[in-house]
Amino acid sequence: EAGVAQSPRYKIIEKRQSVAFWCNPISGHATLYWYQQILGQGPKLLIQFQNNGVVDDSQLPKDRFSAERLKGVDSTLKIQPAKLEDSAVYLCASSSTGITDTQYFGPGTRLTVL
Amino acid sequence: GEDVEQSLFLSVREGDSSVINCTYTDSSSTYLYWYKQEPGAGLQLLTYIFSNMDMKQDQRLTVLLNKKDKHLSLRIADTQTGDSAIYFCAEGGGSYIPTFGRGTSLIVHP
Repeated sequence: EAGVAQSPRYKIIEKRQSVAFWCNPISGHATLYWYQQILGQGPKLLIQFQNNGVVDDSQLPKDRFSAERLKGVDSTLKIQPAKLEDSAVYLCASSSTGITDTQYFGPGTRLTVL
Repeated sequence: GEDVEQSLFLSVREGDSSVINCTYTDSSSTYLYWYKQEPGAGLQLLTYIFSNMDMKQDQRLTVLLNKKDKHLSLRIADTQTGDSAIYFCAEGGGSYIPTFGRGTSLIVHP
């Protein structure tokens, strides 16, 4: 079974530029999560999708971050414009039901904002 | 303060047991989780325990939960160099979305 795929693995941009990350969850998983993991900290949930609907985006900085999952499969997370404090690893995870079920994590995208 | 607290580092000798501790604050947490993160990789769920249990064993892993003190521990028996990683404690509240601690770096030396 293929795992959660993310791309790119690394991205370096200058502040005020835009960036997008892509995630392909495990086939058949209805729930998809985006986390932000700042160096030295645990992951923080940014947004949770159930199929193509948003379940929780309370910690997503909506003035600069956006995410979509149009067909209920792949998802993109965008930052526009980026700030220095956005430097982090962005993790995507998926699970089959979203309630108590195991979350499977992708390898993450490491973003550096200069 | 943080919702989930862990010590940042633990160093053990290969073959010894490792005990990683965690405290949490949300008394409504239904699930407590332990995740492992190796360098450059995503998080891997190691084990979890329901809040109505006080112990769970899975091969070399033993999880102890003291709900009264909101204390969770992970014991790894016969620790190997391949166990070197960052271990995250997480609590799941009513929404089951886990809140993570900052992680404990486990260093296993020969």
